[in-house]
Amino acid sequence: GENVEQHPSTLSVQEGDSAVIKCTYSDSASNYFPWYKQELGKGPQLIIDIRSNVGEKKDQRIAVTLNKTAKHFSLHITETQPEDSAVYFCAASTDKLIFGTGTRLQVFP
Amino acid sequence: DAMVIQNPRYQVTQFGKPVTLSCSQTLNHNVMYWYQQKSSQAPKLLFHYYDKDFNNEADTPDNFQSRRPNTSFCFLDIRSPGLGDAAMYLCATSRGFREQYFGPGTRLTVT
Repeated sequence: GENVEQHPSTLSVQEGDSAVIKCTYSDSASNYFPWYKQELGKGPQLIIDIRSNVGEKKDQRIAVTLNKTAKHFSLHITETQPEDSAVYFCAASTDKLIFGTGTRLQVFP
Repeated sequence: DAMVIQNPRYQVTQFGKPVTLSCSQTLNHNVMYWYQQKSSQAPKLLFHYYDKDFNNEADTPDNFQSRRPNTSFCFLDIRSPGLGDAAMYLCATSRGFREQYFGPGTRLTVT
């Protein structure tokens, strides 16, 4: 079955810097790759997603890239702000979501 | 606003005492999911309903059951909670196997 690896497990950046989180997946049939942000005590919030027919997608300060050949996808957050601090999960899917292990991002003022 | 609602947000139950968690949605999505999330871990899918069809994950314990009386509501029943069942329980919905939207979760404590 599908397996998703996510790195790093923790990431600390200064406000205004960029943050990059990387995921790899194993099932070449996966065709949908969402990213979720989860704040303490809340449910995961879908922040951006990409499908396998697209290589890059951007939404304001957030972008996701997908390399299907290498089975890699990444989340890029530019101009980070303290409110970006949360746990971020990547996932890969054909039908059900298979989550990565999560990255705790801390943005220091 | 269309949304996924979970009640209660916090639930305390005694060891072995049955408990029911509820989820409702105003998105009119046909798929509803229940996930278990333990501290510092990713959500783990327990089961989902695709319309009225129930789909159980192979490693979901028999202690966990679900009911979906209509499109909008879905319930998670834990028949005999153990200490290891203490977790955040997340409901999610989607239209077909597309984007999943999560509720705020119910934090279950077992005493």
